Amino acid sequence: EVQLLESGGGLVQPGGSLRLSCAASGFTFYSNVMTWVRQAPGKGLEWVAAISGSGVTTYYSHSVKGRFTISRDNSRNTLYVQMNGLRAEDTAVYYCAKPSGSYFSDAIHMWGRGTMVAVSS
Amino acid sequence: QTVVTQEPSFSVSPGGTVTLTCGLNSGSVSTGYYPSWYQQTPGQPPRTLIYSTNTRSSGVPARFSGSIRGGRAVLTITGAQAVDECDYYCVLYIGSGVWMFGGGTKVTVL
Repeated sequence: EVQLLESGGGLVQPGGSLRLSCAASGFTFYSNVMTWVRQAPGKGLEWVAAISGSGVTTYYSHSVKGRFTISRDNSRNTLYVQMNGLRAEDTAVYYCAKPSGSYFSDAIHMWGRGTMVAVSS
Repeated sequence: QTVVTQEPSFSVSPGGTVTLTCGLNSGSVSTGYYPSWYQQTPGQPPRTLIYSTNTRSSGVPARFSGSIRGGRAVLTITGAQAVDECDYYCVLYIGSGVWMFGGGTKVTVL
């Protein structure tokens, strides 16, 4: 059974940093693209970033490019996102998500339960 | 700027048919955008219903189906039930590794 367990959320001041983790199990982690999606309180879903199975190729939304870095440790079956220069508008539940296959064009298929990030002074 | 459009809301009577659409401000949606649909109830993570236009995710009832019609991706719920009352999101593959979600549709069954 596929399991995705996010951690690392919390309250951070504007301009601060946070690193989220996602522990994955139940599938061949290293062969899958992985993704982060977020949802601000009361708002819709927003695709944030994706990373190839090898970790070599990454893509970001315009809203986080240059501030967030997605990475992975295939030896630990863990996905990360390092978030720097946090802003109030980054306040959201962050979901780790697994596409249906190993291509960036494969749609998100499995979701974690999410971890909350609140940016406030 | 690319915008993915969805109806903000949709109301249906129990047993009726729900037709939700997912469009692009820049043109028509085709299978190459790999349209996918997700269902979300308050406080819960999204649940995958349909991916790659019309592939139903495991465990999703057959009353949910996906298609493309008139340049838009379409999610159809045939025989709506009270449990179907929640938010629905579509997502499109824009290219270069980037996906974009629509704003979501709130479905009410009354």
